[in-house]
Amino acid sequence: EVQLVESGGGLVQPGGSLRLSCAASGFTFSTYTMSWVRQAPGKGLEWVSAISGSGGSTYYADSVKGRFTISRDSSKNKLYLQMNSLRAEDTAVYYCAKVGLLVIAAAGSLDYWGQGTLVTVSS
Amino acid sequence: SYELTQPPSVSVSPGQTARITCSGDALPKQYAYWYQQKPGQAPVLVIYKDSERPSGIPERFSGSSSGTTVTLTISGVQAEDEADYYCQSADSSGTHVVFGGGTKLTVL
Repeated sequence: EVQLVESGGGLVQPGGSLRLSCAASGFTFSTYTMSWVRQAPGKGLEWVSAISGSGGSTYYADSVKGRFTISRDSSKNKLYLQMNSLRAEDTAVYYCAKVGLLVIAAAGSLDYWGQGTLVTVSS
Repeated sequence: SYELTQPPSVSVSPGQTARITCSGDALPKQYAYWYQQKPGQAPVLVIYKDSERPSGIPERFSGSSSGTTVTLTISGVQAEDEADYYCQSADSSGTHVVFGGGTKLTVL
């Protein structure tokens, strides 16, 4: 059974940093592209970033490029999101998701999702 | 930046057919995917590659594509189908994934 469990969320001041983790199990982690998707309170889904199975290719939404860094450790079956220079508008539930059928680059179906971790950016 | 456009809300009575559209210029070049999200829960994939249904998703969920518009159709809507629905695709290069704004389906 595929499981994705996020951790690392919490309250952080504007300008601060936070690192999210996602522990994956139930599939061959190194084979699949992984994504982060966020959802601000009461708002819709927003794609944040993706990383290829090898870790050699990374992709970012324009809203986070230069501030967030996605990475993975296949020896630990873990996905990470390092978030720097956080802003109030980064407040959201952050989900990690497995890309099931990869079509090209970061594009494909998100076939499994974690339950999310809440990040609140506030003074 | 690339955008997908969905209607904010759709309302249907139980047993009727609900259709939710999603429009975007790159949809002829990139597949679309549909997710159902109920309050307090993570999204669930209900349609992939425009019209394919994952295992475990009821047959009443179907997808179609025509030009720059894709459509999620729910036939014989049930009360349990009340949820937010999001389309997802990517720009023509595939390097930027994008979600539609979401459609709230209300079962009257």
